[in-house]
Amino acid sequence: AQSVTQPDIHITVSEGASLELRCNYSYGATPYLFWYVQSPGQGLQLLLKYFSGDTLVQGIKGFEAEFKRSQSSFNLRKPSVHWSDAAEYFCAVGADSGGYQKVTFGTGTKLQVIP
Amino acid sequence: GAVVSQHPSRVICKSGTSVKIECRSLDFQATTMFWYRQFPKQSLMLMATSNEGSKATYEQGVEKDKFLINHASLTLSTLTVTSAHPEDSSFYICSASVGLATDTQYFGPGTRLTVL
Repeated sequence: AQSVTQPDIHITVSEGASLELRCNYSYGATPYLFWYVQSPGQGLQLLLKYFSGDTLVQGIKGFEAEFKRSQSSFNLRKPSVHWSDAAEYFCAVGADSGGYQKVTFGTGTKLQVIP
Repeated sequence: GAVVSQHPSRVICKSGTSVKIECRSLDFQATTMFWYRQFPKQSLMLMATSNEGSKATYEQGVEKDKFLINHASLTLSTLTVTSAHPEDSSFYICSASVGLATDTQYFGPGTRLTVL
């Protein structure tokens, strides 16, 4: 079975600073990997996803993530954070599970942006 | 595009009653819909996967008779919490996909259920 770990529950960064959110997954083969963002009162929105190809994935809102097989990681980055990026971020792993596909979410990282 | 709505956004009910939550894909046809439960400061826990016109696939530990899922059309799925108890209080989120779970899921804004 697949699993995903987000070691940081809460992160605070200054506006304009760079950001990296950590994500580690566990799965026997190459999984589908996702980053979703959840803003207050809104549904989760897909930022980016990876399955194959270039290990550096570009997403919406200026985010990118890099798949590192050797480290079982899929960290999310943004070079310059905006106040509107304050939200909760979920890493997720998708794979076959008992004959059907299933996506498993991490516990989330809450991002606070200070002026 | 790709908007998913949920209704109601909040519901309070008495213990022992049933509550129905609707999930609609407004501008696309959803082959697959998913129901999640989110506890405070915890992740989304997949409860079940449903395909239009067929029985839902429930995750281990989720009571099928308590959480009834119906996916009657390509744009509507419902979750009915039967004989609700305070421990069923939670945030319920649905999502919809035009294909499989690993295709992009479009999420509804969630429903806050409080059982008194």
